[in-house]
Amino acid sequence: QSVLTQPPSVSGAPGQRVSISCTGSSSNIGAGYDVHWYQQLPGRAPKLLIYGNRYRPSGVPDRISGSKSGTSASLAITGLQAEDEAGYYCQSYDNSLSGVIFGGGTKLTVL
Amino acid sequence: QVQLVESGGGVVQPGRSLRLSCAASGFTFSTYGMHWVRQAPGKGLEWVAIISYDGSNKYYADSVKGRFTISRDNSKNTLYLGVNSLRAEDTAVYYCARELLVGPNYYFDYWGQGTLVTVSS
Repeated sequence: QSVLTQPPSVSGAPGQRVSISCTGSSSNIGAGYDVHWYQQLPGRAPKLLIYGNRYRPSGVPDRISGSKSGTSASLAITGLQAEDEAGYYCQSYDNSLSGVIFGGGTKLTVL
Repeated sequence: QVQLVESGGGVVQPGRSLRLSCAASGFTFSTYGMHWVRQAPGKGLEWVAIISYDGSNKYYADSVKGRFTISRDNSKNTLYLGVNSLRAEDTAVYYCARELLVGPNYYFDYWGQGTLVTVSS
């Protein structure tokens, strides 16, 4: 059971918008710690997608965005493309566990 | 360009030990904190351990505390993970990752390709 809760799967048709939620608690997201997002293509290492709740590293398209409110965060992908089909993980820090925490991951399927 | 290359994985019997390595290049290794993150087959990511840039501070996940040891050799640009008393549940791909620290917030901007550790008799 992950400390950060994500839906196991989401799906959308090409061109559509999907959103992935990441729910935490008062000892992590709610305590003010940032949320970061990673994309993992099948058989590959994770890749940083969003850092500091809403910032995109160089090379990540602006159709990908992140937000945070209270004890939750969200990743949104608009203009869905086949290449977006992957696993997505949120990550933060928990002060009661004194460590880095990940969400359980969400599998995005492009229909 | 930044590169992280893990090695040292393999098939090992329960209770035995292994040492994983992560060779870094393309950046000033001695100025970055480094982490190990693992992923069991078909499962999500699990943070394992962190070591500060100079090796003076180390922290571990409760699931590996007392059995795993993180270390680094800045003269060789290499990160290590000593894994002892291995259990079936330690079977996973082990990734090394470079840390970026902004205030109290850690995240990982570069990851290695991973090395698979399989614990089986």
